[in-house]
Amino acid sequence: KAGVTQTPRYLIKTRGQQVTLSCSPISGHRSVSWYQQTPGQGLQFLFEYFSETQRNKGNFPGRFSGRQFSNSRSEMNVSTLELGDSALYLCASSLEASGSYEQYFGPGTRLTVT
Amino acid sequence: AQSVAQPEDQVNVAEGNPLTVKCTYSVSGNPYLFWYVQYPNRGLQFLLKYITGDNLVKGSYGFEAEFNKSQTSFHLKKPSALVSDSALYFCAVRRRLGANNLFFGTGTRLTVIP
Repeated sequence: KAGVTQTPRYLIKTRGQQVTLSCSPISGHRSVSWYQQTPGQGLQFLFEYFSETQRNKGNFPGRFSGRQFSNSRSEMNVSTLELGDSALYLCASSLEASGSYEQYFGPGTRLTVT
Repeated sequence: AQSVAQPEDQVNVAEGNPLTVKCTYSVSGNPYLFWYVQYPNRGLQFLLKYITGDNLVKGSYGFEAEFNKSQTSFHLKKPSALVSDSALYFCAVRRRLGANNLFFGTGTRLTVIP
């Protein structure tokens, strides 16, 4: 099976702009989660989608949003970018079936805000 | 609230020696526990999990971990370290019920010295 894919791999944006990141989960996985990784804050949970519905949300401002499509692909959007949004954004998918609760991560999108 | 502690930022071990990367957790109720490894410029790779059953779980690349409920620990171990094991290791916890997002430790950088 193909793994989790994320596009683009690298992005450079300017403060105030917005950005959309894309994630395709492993085939058959209906849960998609997003995480932000920074040297200072480590790995932090952004939100999780399951069957096109946001089930959980982390402690991030409303500038961070996401959605999931009927084919389980997900996008996250960050509006009005700030310098502090520079990070590696990781998408993960999971089966969420009995015994299979591990999340499988994509390679990430490295966002640099200048 | 959930939390994970990885008390060592850095662990150095000689090639061929056994290695241990420590992890303690705090979560309400019984936990699901995971170990992930991250190589430079890559996403997180799933190593192993504890869901239920035997306290000693075996995972990829010869790694294993022991769940100790009384000490709330889930230390990662390998009998004989390889230079290729050098990477950043993350311990993660999630609750059995409710939100399925992972809470990560701050990571431990493992360096295996030839």
